[in-house]
Amino acid sequence: AQTVTQSQPEMSVQEAETVTLSCTYDTSESDYYLFWYKQPPSRQMILVIRQEAYKQQNATENRFSVNFQKAAKSFSLKISDSQLGDAAMYFCACRLNSGYSTLTFGKGTMLLVSP
Amino acid sequence: EADIYQTPRYLVIGTGKKITLECSQTMGHDKMYWYQQDPGMELHLIHYSYGVNSTEKGDLSSESTVSRIRTEHFPLTLESARPSHTSQYLCASSDYHMGEKLFFGSGTQLSVL
Repeated sequence: AQTVTQSQPEMSVQEAETVTLSCTYDTSESDYYLFWYKQPPSRQMILVIRQEAYKQQNATENRFSVNFQKAAKSFSLKISDSQLGDAAMYFCACRLNSGYSTLTFGKGTMLLVSP
Repeated sequence: EADIYQTPRYLVIGTGKKITLECSQTMGHDKMYWYQQDPGMELHLIHYSYGVNSTEKGDLSSESTVSRIRTEHFPLTLESARPSHTSQYLCASSDYHMGEKLFFGSGTQLSVL
């Protein structure tokens, strides 16, 4: 079974600045997916970005990018040009590439964005 | 974005009552999940299903039960609610062809008095 660790319970950033959320994971498998999900207050959780372990290139989605270090089992999320709407709980998650595998979430990082 | 619906959004009930939390999705996804989440905490998988007539228990032991008679419907039932069941329950679905991206419902906030 895989484990996911988010060591930052809370992070703060000012509007327009850049922030990096940390995530480490542990699995003995080599084929898996990594995700960052965003849960705004009282709103639905949505997918921010997804990385396939066999791809060396870091995934990017507009202002969101990841730093995927497979050997170190690290998967950090960088948010550039932070906006007030980025304030949310962010969850890192891992899923093995197996039809019967389920997603394992980290404990989450609360991101606060100030004007 | 998500076509996955949970009802009710909020539920306050007394101890000992039987309750069913509804979850429906219109995307035709085979896989559906129930997560339990306390405020500001991580998500714990309590039940999942890979298709009709398939249900499995998740990582977190739960006294709830689920059924999957139709692809689009995955209700969760508590036969006798207790205060320890007070939590947020999130339903989600996924499809292999979308890289297992999870689509979440808005959640049901359950309070058992």
